[in-house]
Amino acid sequence: EPEVTQTPSHQVTQMGQEVILRCVPISNHLYFYWYRQILGQKVEFLVSFYNNEISEKSEIFDDQFSVERPDGSNFTLKIRSTKLEDSAMYFCASNPNGVETGELFFGEGSRLTVL
Amino acid sequence: GQQVMQIPQYQHVQEGEDFTTYCNSSTTLSNIQWYKQRPGGHPVFLIQLVKSGEVKKQKRLTFQFGEAKKNSSLHITATQTTDVGTYFCAGTSLFRGSNYKLTFGKGTLLTVNP
Repeated sequence: EPEVTQTPSHQVTQMGQEVILRCVPISNHLYFYWYRQILGQKVEFLVSFYNNEISEKSEIFDDQFSVERPDGSNFTLKIRSTKLEDSAMYFCASNPNGVETGELFFGEGSRLTVL
Repeated sequence: GQQVMQIPQYQHVQEGEDFTTYCNSSTTLSNIQWYKQRPGGHPVFLIQLVKSGEVKKQKRLTFQFGEAKKNSSLHITATQTTDVGTYFCAGTSLFRGSNYKLTFGKGTLLTVNP
């Protein structure tokens, strides 16, 4: 069964460093998302991406964050200068036709620890 | 902005007891989805409800969508240890017409004592 894959599974970084989290969405999906989950808390929306551009973003997704689809398969989240409060599990998700018509398929997540 | 509230935050039951979690949105929803997240895992889709007053069943799980499309519930009959996890509701706002954003509730953590 097709699945969303994410790398790395765990990344430890120093505050102020840049981090890139990578995702390979399911191949025929058109909508891509990043969510984050601070330990024990809810799943928070960061950004959605469709047709090679950001379609919606949350207030969390400030200038320190960016997303890119550099080729036909990868979807990346970059945090330019990490802060302690960026420590969380970051989930990538994809969906064939948008969330109004169906489920989000989540990857297993990338745990980011900022020291 | 849109808020999705869920209660209770935690529920501990004896195996065989029933369990219910409730979800309330600050705005009318286009649809509501339910996800289950096992400890250490990622959210996994359970079901989507679209119509006002809709009721769907999956074996021991019953999902309801309120008439006003602002609330929903998940009921598990005769819980088993395999039901352990956090159950999240998630919705898209009707009036924003957003196909791009699913807002999650805070989730209900269910633990089951064998």
